[in-house]
Amino acid sequence: GDSVVQTEGQVLPSEGDSLIVNCSYETTQYPSLFWYVQYPGEGPQLHLKAMKANDKGRNKGFEAMYRKETTSFHLEKDSVQESDSAVYFCALSAFNAGNNRKLIWGLGTSLAVNP
Amino acid sequence: EPEVTQTPSHQVTQMGQEVILRCVPISNHLYFYWYRQILGQKVEFLVSFYNNEISEKSEIFDDQFSVERPDGSNFTLKIRSTKLEDSAMYFCASSTSRTEPSYEQYFGPGTRLTVT
Repeated sequence: GDSVVQTEGQVLPSEGDSLIVNCSYETTQYPSLFWYVQYPGEGPQLHLKAMKANDKGRNKGFEAMYRKETTSFHLEKDSVQESDSAVYFCALSAFNAGNNRKLIWGLGTSLAVNP
Repeated sequence: EPEVTQTPSHQVTQMGQEVILRCVPISNHLYFYWYRQILGQKVEFLVSFYNNEISEKSEIFDDQFSVERPDGSNFTLKIRSTKLEDSAMYFCASSTSRTEPSYEQYFGPGTRLTVT
């Protein structure tokens, strides 16, 4: 079945450090790929997306490239800020047999940036 | 900016009791979803709903669960007889379309359900 695996647990960079959060996916379909961000006490919000292979999602200095050949969608940023601290979820959207979409989620990566 | 709202923010109930979690999706959206997130675990799909019927449900969504859109604005999730393992954050989401290229689900802030 469809699945998403991402960097687990907590990532603790210092402000100004570069960041890579890994995300790999598995599906027999041609999914859309997303990174959602979740702040304490809130629901997930769409952070960036890529609809097809070789698309690059961008938002607030973050980037993720949809790489079909390696089935990956790693989240990257050159220089993290304390305000980036949150939980990040990688997700894929694929059609089911009824032609409806649902989101398949990774476990989430907690980013805590040291000031 | 339109948003998905959910009530209550926190619900505490005793095992075996019925609970109803409420959601008001964004007004022009047509597709509605419930997800849950057990503390420290991944977000899990429960059910999708379109045109007043369930489109898909997961194996989690057993006979104890039901969904309803009673009045054209609210979207509810009912758990008939809660179990301890139902304790989780429940998120409602909505989207305009299931096929558009820029497909996106918009999430509410969640209801934390605690079963004691």
